[in-house]
Amino acid sequence: QSVLTQPPSVSGAPGQRVTISCTGTSSNIGARFDVHWYQQLPGAAPKLLIYGINNRPSGVPDRFSVSKSGTSASLSITGLQTEDEADYYCQSYDRSLSGHVFGTGTKVTVL
Amino acid sequence: QVHLQQWGAGLLKPSETLSLTCGVSGGSFVGYYWSWIRQSPGKGLEWIAEINQSGSTNYSPTFRSRVVVSIDTSKSQYSLWLNSVTAADTGVYYCARGGSGGHSWFDPWGQGTPVTVSA
Repeated sequence: QSVLTQPPSVSGAPGQRVTISCTGTSSNIGARFDVHWYQQLPGAAPKLLIYGINNRPSGVPDRFSVSKSGTSASLSITGLQTEDEADYYCQSYDRSLSGHVFGTGTKVTVL
Repeated sequence: QVHLQQWGAGLLKPSETLSLTCGVSGGSFVGYYWSWIRQSPGKGLEWIAEINQSGSTNYSPTFRSRVVVSIDTSKSQYSLWLNSVTAADTGVYYCARGGSGGHSWFDPWGQGTPVTVSA
């Protein structure tokens, strides 16, 4: 079971801003482990979107940004575009489990 | 640019052993941990296990009793074995490159291998 909690879905019109939350505990995000984000397009493998605090792999636009506070993190997409329609997952590390953990996933729909 | 290509049997019967291999090209094994991750409808993404070039392994508590991972640096590949599979092990299995420790991320990922467990 996923250890990090995300909303099942968020939606927005083109050009709008949407935010996806990722809620953990004192064993993972609250323990100051980094949070990373992945984008999964339909039928494809997850792809790294942002690692740590706003580190983007080559090709990822700066419309994607993250923040982190306490036991939660969030991913914001500004200037929403149709190609942003995908599933998004957060990922961190859990010291109680001694392993990597993922969020439940959020489906972004562009209206 | 590192590329991961994975292969293995996609249809298993209950109690059989799942076996997958991930080939790594375009980069070195050194300095990374190499993971297996599962995606299933009921449980989302689950990290299963990881191994480094020295053969040091870490396992998820969920899978520890049933899983083995190995690495063959001469062939640039690493493998996963998951025994005593049940229908709950149905899903898409990915290999992915990770780092060492609690701040690491996964990049890149293999293409995924769909696995179905059915009598």
